[in-house]
Amino acid sequence: DADVTQTPRNRITKTGKRIMLECSQTKGHDRMYWYRQDPGLGLRLIYYSFDVKDINKGEISDGYSVSRQAQAKFSLSLESAIPNQTALYFCATSDFFLGVGGSPYEQYFGPGTRLTVT
Amino acid sequence: DQQVKQNSPSLSVQEGRISILNCDYTNSMFDYFLWYKKYPAEGPTFLISISSIKDKNEDGRFTVFLNKSAKHLSLHIVPSQPGDSAVYFCAAMRTGANNLFFGTGTRLTVIP
Repeated sequence: DADVTQTPRNRITKTGKRIMLECSQTKGHDRMYWYRQDPGLGLRLIYYSFDVKDINKGEISDGYSVSRQAQAKFSLSLESAIPNQTALYFCATSDFFLGVGGSPYEQYFGPGTRLTVT
Repeated sequence: DQQVKQNSPSLSVQEGRISILNCDYTNSMFDYFLWYKKYPAEGPTFLISISSIKDKNEDGRFTVFLNKSAKHLSLHIVPSQPGDSAVYFCAAMRTGANNLFFGTGTRLTVIP
C-alpha cells in the first residue's frame, strides 16, 4: 500500500462549488503539506502543518483552507472553486531525522489529484 | 517571483551518455538543495540532496554540484538510462524554515 494516498485522483467540478481534497499517510510523520503544480510554474506551497494543532499559510493560500483532522490526515478545501484553480495538487509529508541514507529534509509525495474547474 | 529556476524545459540525451540538468536560485539564504524525479501520474520522488557546506554529493550514477557564488547547481547522470526519462525538479530551502521552493522542472528524455 502507498505511504501517502490522495482522494480523489481526478475531479471535475463547476465554478462556485465547494470541493475537498483528502490526504492520508501511514508514514507516521508529523509534518504535512499541500502543493499545486501548474505548467511552467513548478510546485508551489499552499499550506503546511507541523502537527495537529499547527497550520501555516504557504506561498499561495488565497482561496484555499485546510484541516488537520489527525496526525495522518490533512484535507484541502476550495470553498468556491474558480477556473484558475485548475491544477495538479500534491500532498506531501516529512519528518526531520538524522539517519543513514536519504535526506533529513526529504518530503514524500502522494500521487496527486488532477482538479479541473469548469 | 520564481526563486528557483530551471531554464531548460527539456533535454534529450542518448543512452549511455551524460545528462546535465541545471538549476539557478536567487535567494542567498537557501542552504539546502534537493533534486526530485517525477514520472507521469506519480508524485515526485526524492533523488539526491546537497548542503551548502559541500560543493559535491554523489550517489551511484547521480552527482549534484553546487556553486554557491554563482547560485547554481547541477545534476549529472552518468551513464544515462532510458528509465531515467522523467521530469526533474530542483528544490531549495533555508534549513529551519522547512519550506521547499521548487523550480519549474526539466523533462529528460533518454533515447535508447
